[in-house]
Amino acid sequence: NAGVTQTPKFRILKIGQSMTLQCTQDMNHNYMYWYRQDPGMGLKLIYYSVGAGITDKGEVPNGYNVSRSTTEDFPLRLELAAPSQTSVYFCASSYSQRMDTQYFGPGTRLTVL
Amino acid sequence: SQKIEQNSEALNIQEGKTATLTCNYTNYSPAYLQWYRQDPGRGPVFLLLIRENEKEKRKERLKVTFDTTLKQSLFHITASQPADSATYLCAPNFGNEKLTFGTGTRLTIIP
Repeated sequence: NAGVTQTPKFRILKIGQSMTLQCTQDMNHNYMYWYRQDPGMGLKLIYYSVGAGITDKGEVPNGYNVSRSTTEDFPLRLELAAPSQTSVYFCASSYSQRMDTQYFGPGTRLTVL
Repeated sequence: SQKIEQNSEALNIQEGKTATLTCNYTNYSPAYLQWYRQDPGRGPVFLLLIRENEKEKRKERLKVTFDTTLKQSLFHITASQPADSATYLCAPNFGNEKLTFGTGTRLTIIP
């Protein structure tokens, strides 16, 4: 059981480039989440999904897109990278939403120069 | 909008003592509150969950309390050890589909 896996671990982008952060979970969880964590700040929710084919915006969705075509995968897309998107990105999953533990991936550290 | 405040950014505690971390929230009370541990370079790991109708929850050396009058949750680690050094995040749920994470308290246990 690998849990939640994220790739890549690190990435440096130039302004205006695009990339996809990958997230996969093998726990058959319905709910998946993308967060960003900036130094000294809490985790901010970018997007979340309650099941395959269903996604919704979180607190800070601007500049990002997501899709959920399978239960296992929840990729996060950055279309036009900006320095403000420099952050550590965490993917998480939970079986249900109500009072359920979230399981986090190891994170992707992204720098936009 | 709801605000979550965790006490000091950093807390240093002598080994063997009890570490107490604070999580305060404004406005209305959460339906439940979770506590997570985060080590440097890693994702958060779930520790404990306490519901709005529970006063206290324990797990081994960990204890969480929930006071809806004070709008506060306290997280205690008794008989602290250097291995307990980490950042601890509180995460209330205010009745929607999402958790709101605090900024965290970086705890250092000094041998």
